[in-house]
This record gives sequence, C-alpha cells and structure tokens, in this order.
Amino acid sequence: NAGVMQNPRHLVRRRGQEARLRCSPMKGHSHVYWYRQLPEEGLKFMVYLQKENIIDESGMPKERFSAEFPKEGPSILRIQQVVRGDSAAYFCASSPRGENSPLHFGNGTRLTVT
Amino acid sequence: GENVEQHPSTLSVQEGDSAVIKCTYSDSASNYFPWYKQELGKRPQLIIDIRSNVGEKKDQRIAVTLNKTAKHFSLHITETQPEDSAVYFCAASRAGGTSYGKLTFGQGTILTVHP
Repeated sequence: NAGVMQNPRHLVRRRGQEARLRCSPMKGHSHVYWYRQLPEEGLKFMVYLQKENIIDESGMPKERFSAEFPKEGPSILRIQQVVRGDSAAYFCASSPRGENSPLHFGNGTRLTVT
Repeated sequence: GENVEQHPSTLSVQEGDSAVIKCTYSDSASNYFPWYKQELGKRPQLIIDIRSNVGEKKDQRIAVTLNKTAKHFSLHITETQPEDSAVYFCAASRAGGTSYGKLTFGQGTILTVHP
C-alpha cells in the first residue's frame, strides 16, 4: 500500500512563473491537507480538502495560491507568479476520514524560486 | 487560534541518556497531540500521539504525557541512540468536525545524540 505520493520532489521556478504541486493520497483516503514548511521552521497548515470541496482554507495566502482536489486525479496546489518568499517545502497529508485518523505526510515538494 | 510553544529548541545528550521535550498549548479545546520526527530533507514521521482522555502513553522507548489542566504535554525518549538524532515537532488540534487534521505545530527541537 503506497503512502502519500507527491511530485515533483524538487521544483525550481523563476520569479513570476507558476508552480504546480501534486499530491496523490493513500488508497482509500478522501481527505487531503497541505502544509508549508519554511527553512528551519515548523509546518504551517494551509488548506484542507475533500473530493471536489475545499473544507478549510484559512491558512492559504489570499492571493496567488489555490488548491483543488478533483473527483479524479491528484490534489493540486497552485502558486501563481511565484516570489522568493514562496521557497519552502510543501507537504501533503491524507486521511481516510476527518476524525480520529493520524496524519501521515508525503515526502514533500521542495520549491526553490530563483 | 491555537498557539503551540516548544522547548528547548536544541537538545544535546549522550547515548543512553534520556531526552525530554516539552510543549504548551493555548486552546483548551485542543484534544489531540501528535509528535513527529523529521530527519534532514525528509518528511515528518508520526512517532506517537495522545488524546485528551489519556494522561500518558508509551511505545517502547518513547512516552508522551499530557497535563490538560496546565495545557502542556511532553515527549520522553529513554536510552537514546544516535539514530534518534533528528528534529522533533509537537502539534495540537481539535478532534472532531473539520478541525482534526488542522494541526498547529511547535517550532521544533533539534535533538543530537552523541555516541
């Protein structure tokens, strides 16, 4: 049973470009969470999605960031017009349902903005 | 919102000694407290978690204690080994509804175990 799969592992973008990060949850999991980790800091919650629904996006920056989890395919975190401050590790976690399910994280995507 | 403070930020011990990392939280409604271990460049891995209806939980060399009245919880690692060296994060959330997976993390503790 494969774990949470994220790709790409490393992504380099120039300022102003778009970054697309993908997350495939564990089999049978329908809840996805995105977290961001700045260098030498803890993880910060960004968004919680279920299939075709955004449940909680209170941690998402108001501009340039968006997330989706379509009926088919992986969850996508999209960052438009990236800036140097977006450089971070972005981790995805999934759970089978909202309650009483420990979060297990994917290997993350390390975004570098040059 | 929830705020989680973690201490110390760095901890250095000799192999075989015990290590204790402490966290405090602010939201009295938080009732789920996981601990994660993160090695350099890798994903956070869940090592133990505790819910508010329990005061202590143990798994081999790792234990977690929770004091709901004081709103603090601690990670205890006994008989430390060099492979325990990593960054450890505590976290807190409210179980139930849409908040369960919305973890608030502490700042992390860099644990170094010297052979």
